[in-house]
Parts: sequence; C-alpha cells; structure tokens
Amino acid sequence: QQPVQSPQAVILREGEDAVINCSSSKALYSVHWYRQKHGEAPVFLMILLKGGEQKGHEKISASFNEKKQQSSLYLTASQLSYSGTYFCGTESDTGNQFYFGTGTSLTVIP
Amino acid sequence: SQTIHQWPATLVQPVGSPLSLECTVEGTSNPNLYWYRQAAGRGLQLLFYSVGIGQISSEVPQNLSASRPQDRQFILSSKKLLLSDSGFYLCACSSDGTLNTEAFFGQGTRLTVV
Repeated sequence: QQPVQSPQAVILREGEDAVINCSSSKALYSVHWYRQKHGEAPVFLMILLKGGEQKGHEKISASFNEKKQQSSLYLTASQLSYSGTYFCGTESDTGNQFYFGTGTSLTVIP
Repeated sequence: SQTIHQWPATLVQPVGSPLSLECTVEGTSNPNLYWYRQAAGRGLQLLFYSVGIGQISSEVPQNLSASRPQDRQFILSSKKLLLSDSGFYLCACSSDGTLNTEAFFGQGTRLTVV
C-alpha cells in the first residue's frame, strides 16, 4: 500500500538537477509532495490531481501519470535549502487512506 | 486555515508504561485525521485514520490504539509501551474529508521508550 520512491538518497552540488520518482500499486486520485527537515513536520510542496497534471513552483515541479500510477518531482538548479527528505503522499481512488512513500533523502552541497 | 496542536513535543517513557498523545484541530470541521509514526531514518508509516467521531481504522497490528471522542480531537494510546514504539509521531488532517488540498501536520512528538 505504501508508495515506493526512488532513489532512496541523492547528493547534489548546488545548481545541479534531480528527479525523484514515486510509484504506487493502486489506482490514485491524488499525489502530494512534501519536504521534511530533520525532526520537523513535513512541509507541503504541491498536490496533483487525477487527470495528468503537471505543476511547478519556482524551480520545483512535478508530474502525475495516473495510468502508470506514478509521479515525479523535478528539482532544477538545486539550492542548499532544498536539502531534506522528500515524501510523496498518495490517496487512492477507493479509500480515505493517505499513504506516504518511503522517502528520498536529498543533500545539496556547496 | 487549519492548525493542528499536538503534544507533548518530546516524551521519555519506561517500557511497560501507558501512553497518551493528543492532537486537536482548529479551523475546519469533519476532517479526516491520521496518526503516523516515523522511525529513525525511515518513512512515515500510517498507523490509524479516522473519518468521523468514533470511527477508527487501523493500518497495522500493534499495541497502540486510537480514539476520536470529538470531531477535532484524535488520541493515540497504549496500555504498555514497548521499546519498538520509540519514534516520531505525527498527527495530520485533511479538510472536510478530502485531500484536494494539502494535509496539515502537527509538530510531532518524539517518543523514546527506555
């Protein structure tokens, strides 16, 4: 039931790009993306709804392919502040459960 | 907008002792409520969710339980804590029972069972 994210961890230099993938075994209604700093609550980045959405927020964007039950988060020209653990959250078509992915640890170094 | 109050922020409890973590929500009515646990270096595991007063669904068998005595109150409990119960516990809500908008989180409770 828990979505699977890849990669598990990535290290970037400032200015480099990264892609984080989220894959579910169930049909999805929506996909959320969150970033969590150590010891803090997750912070909302964006939500994508069923219908093949793409969204962007400054240099962070995401896509949602509900046929493949997958979403990808794109970080371009990464900044030090992007460091943290990124989680996708998924809501299925059939229930009220909201599952988080396994997480991707992203570290941006100077 | 919604606000979630979760307390305490940190807790150290001996093995075998009881647990009660409380979460209250402001700014919305009839939310879906969730309890998650995050073990060190691991993802967020859904423990319980609730779509209404007295309605609790459990995702994993464990010695924890949850209750929702009021619309905007969600309580996580245990009668006897285990060492494996240590972790970071997060309460979350979605407004009006949908997830068309973001999920809101409390600030978390770091539980250490010793």
